[in-house]
Amino acid sequence: QVQLVESGGGVVQPGGSLRLSCAASGFTFTNYGIHWVRQTPVKGLEWVAFIRYDGSKQWYADSVKGRFTISRDNSQSTLYLQMNSLRAEDSAIYYCAKDGVAAALTYYFEYWGQGTLVTVSS
Amino acid sequence: DIQMTQSPSALSASVGDRVTITCRTSQSISSYLNWYQQKPGKAPKVLIYAVSNLQSGVPSRFSGSGSGTDFTLTINSLQPEDFATYYCQQSYTFGGGTKVEIK
Repeated sequence: QVQLVESGGGVVQPGGSLRLSCAASGFTFTNYGIHWVRQTPVKGLEWVAFIRYDGSKQWYADSVKGRFTISRDNSQSTLYLQMNSLRAEDSAIYYCAKDGVAAALTYYFEYWGQGTLVTVSS
Repeated sequence: DIQMTQSPSALSASVGDRVTITCRTSQSISSYLNWYQQKPGKAPKVLIYAVSNLQSGVPSRFSGSGSGTDFTLTINSLQPEDFATYYCQQSYTFGGGTKVEIK
């Protein structure tokens, strides 16, 4: 069965950096684009970034553009999110989510990981 | 950017009730309009994709419909495990959620 397991969350000071990982299994990782989506009680669900199945192109929400970098290692079936210049408003649960259509960007979040909590605080 | 307005934001219902949740978009859409269920402490789970397609493994009491700017999620005969928060989503935008509580 499809599994997505996030890790790397924690507490970081404003201006700091953190790298999240998402280990995937149960499907052909190299065929699917993957998203990062975050959630807070106040702002709700917010799409963060997407990377194509082959890693050749990335898309970002305006709120993280220039600060976050999404990447993937297809040999390890792992997705990453490098987060720099972190702000208090980046505090959230971060989920990785598999797009539902192979080799496409549909924003159909077919499977989700369990999430990892990021807290930006001094 | 397209805005998604869900209504109601919360509702109380009894087991066996039929529940309808509405999602209105700020402009007409033609691509994937999806519905998710989320229970406390868990990740969202897709119920309906592309307006009316039931995700594999999801009970048939869930259904989706709509077109243009108005979309609906219907739960026929609400079950105890259906008490949760429901979200609509299109492209990179999510609705604000509808919390379905026990009456």
